Amino acid sequence: DADVTQTPRNRITKTGKRIMLECSQTKGHDRMYWYRQDPGLGLRLIYYSFDVKDINKGEISDGYSVSRQAQAKFSLSLESAIPNQTALYFCATSDPRQGQRYEQYFGPGTRLTVT
Amino acid sequence: SQQGEEDPQALSIQEGENATMNCSYKTSINNLQWYRQNSGRGLVHLILIRSNEREKHSGRLRVTLDTSKKSSSLLITASRAADTASYFCATENNQGGKLIFGQGTELSVKP
Repeated sequence: DADVTQTPRNRITKTGKRIMLECSQTKGHDRMYWYRQDPGLGLRLIYYSFDVKDINKGEISDGYSVSRQAQAKFSLSLESAIPNQTALYFCATSDPRQGQRYEQYFGPGTRLTVT
Repeated sequence: SQQGEEDPQALSIQEGENATMNCSYKTSINNLQWYRQNSGRGLVHLILIRSNEREKHSGRLRVTLDTSKKSSSLLITASRAADTASYFCATENNQGGKLIFGQGTELSVKP
């Protein structure tokens, strides 16, 4: 089984709808991240969480919110989806206890289309 | 704003040739990492080089880091068709924990 899972994998929604993307991990990592990927722009950080009680905004948090329900779960919500939020969304985890290494482990992604 | 810029944006080579991708960044870093992404899939970590290291090897991968020029390169030797993917550099600054990704290099290796 995959260590980092995302649901749904694909979603089409209409402008103005609320949508939640979910991420679960079995790696036991404290740190979790949400990114979006747009063609030609690489990955941009939306929110990140270093533990259950720690939530931080990333580079492009406007229009998004998150919830860290448990160490293993980190959800991303779009309160009122708009077409320019159409993108590929990735969840990732990391564990700084691994000897100061901050490599991240990514989920398979959620392709979101807002019409 | 993006920390890393990658060059070239796209690279097409024949199987067996070497592929070199470059990454430049703007601020001081703790480490620099390279990731690979197959089309539409999640990123996979390839190699990490710390700011006090100049060169690192892993299998057919060789990474160099020049902190004076704020640049890094990834060399894939004896490329294979299965190396076809997008490659991203990512930098972690001295505040720790967050990565900033470049825009990626799309590598195509033709059989």
